[in-house]
Amino acid sequence: AQTVTQSQPEMSVQEAETVTLSCTYDTSESDYYLFWYKQPPSRQMILVIRQEAYKQQNATENRFSVNFQKAAKSFSLKISDSQLGDAAMYFCAYENSGYALNFGKGTSLLVTP
Amino acid sequence: DSGVTQTPKHLITATGQRVTLRCSPRSGDLSVYWYQQSLDQGLQFLIQYYNGEERAKGNILERFSAQQFPDLHSELNLSSLELGDSALYFCASSVAKSGNTIYFGEGSWLTVV
Repeated sequence: AQTVTQSQPEMSVQEAETVTLSCTYDTSESDYYLFWYKQPPSRQMILVIRQEAYKQQNATENRFSVNFQKAAKSFSLKISDSQLGDAAMYFCAYENSGYALNFGKGTSLLVTP
Repeated sequence: DSGVTQTPKHLITATGQRVTLRCSPRSGDLSVYWYQQSLDQGLQFLIQYYNGEERAKGNILERFSAQQFPDLHSELNLSSLELGDSALYFCASSVAKSGNTIYFGEGSWLTVV
């Protein structure tokens, strides 16, 4: 199985500031996909951002961007201009053609006013 | 609204019983996934079906089974229930076997007493 590691169980950020959530993964594959999902208190799983490993350009979605370092097998999520509504559990996930979406254990993000 | 529909939303049952969770994927999606989220285990992949056939299997117990029907809806059957089976069970769907965005339903809360 492919391992996804999120080393930060909890993170805190002040409103309007920037925070980076870390994720590393273990794979011997060259073609795969990486995701960040957000789970607010409602427990709904919401896709934040998606990255294809063959693309060198880092994915961006509004205030959310990733730093994809393929050689280092690192996929961090940067949230800019943090808002109270960003408070949630964030899950990093990996998928390739041979394996279904595999999640890390999550990082709980607290946003303070 | 992700377009993935799960029923029931909440279920309380006794140990030793059997329950069936139902999932309707987004229109046009051929893949259905089942995930289990308990407090201490994070999101665990159970099983994936693609166009009616089992495509990938994760940490699914022998007491659990699933199927995808010709109309592409899926059911997850949980039998001989134990207290430890209490969890949030997610269904998710995507267009293809892998690589595409996976959309999650709101989950079915199962409490075993």
